[in-house]
Amino acid sequence: DGGITQSPKYLFRKEGQNVTLSCEQNLNHDAMYWYRQDPGQGLRLIYYSQIVNDFQKGDIAEGYSVSREKKESFPLTVTSAQKNPTAFYLCASSIAVASGANVLTFGAGSRLTVL
Amino acid sequence: DQQVKQNSPSLSVQEGRISILNCDYTNSMFDYFLWYKKYPAEGPTFLISISSIKDKNEDGRFTVFLNKSAKHLSLHIVPSQPGDSAVYFCAASARGSGNTGKLIFGQGTTLQVKP
Repeated sequence: DGGITQSPKYLFRKEGQNVTLSCEQNLNHDAMYWYRQDPGQGLRLIYYSQIVNDFQKGDIAEGYSVSREKKESFPLTVTSAQKNPTAFYLCASSIAVASGANVLTFGAGSRLTVL
Repeated sequence: DQQVKQNSPSLSVQEGRISILNCDYTNSMFDYFLWYKKYPAEGPTFLISISSIKDKNEDGRFTVFLNKSAKHLSLHIVPSQPGDSAVYFCAASARGSGNTGKLIFGQGTTLQVKP
């Protein structure tokens, strides 16, 4: 079955530590995204990538970094500069189409808790 | 600036009745609107979409209505079932020049369907 795999599902981190969340997809999708979910704020876009070796900042990129070295992988690093990193992180992917609805397929998410 | 707004944090309906979830937007460049459903600790799953050139799209028990003049859309679920209990997110995208089709999400509405 094709899909998106996020790991780890749960992660605890001490303040001041960087942590990397993994996202792998076998859907052959061109575009990949990272969203963050906080209670009452919906999903907010952190970073996205439309092709390999290219990515753009979303609405809340400060304190985060990404890479896109392979089509199927889009890891997210939460750095110590992120002031409020405790959240539920969602990775998504989509086919790059010129028209039509951009339907994102999401992974199951990773919950990061900073102690 | 919240471009997509879901002003009702929660909604409770009786099984078999209609559920109506509302969404407002401010950006007139949005050309596609999508609804996602999310269970706790899982990723959102795509439900239904509508193009800005249409005013209605139906898929089984789910119908989305779009009122462009009011910048308002709604999702109707008829009849509602207990398994529909989840958080529903409205999302929008714009594919014009300079846009990438990335999705902007609302805050979500928690639907509870009582047996």
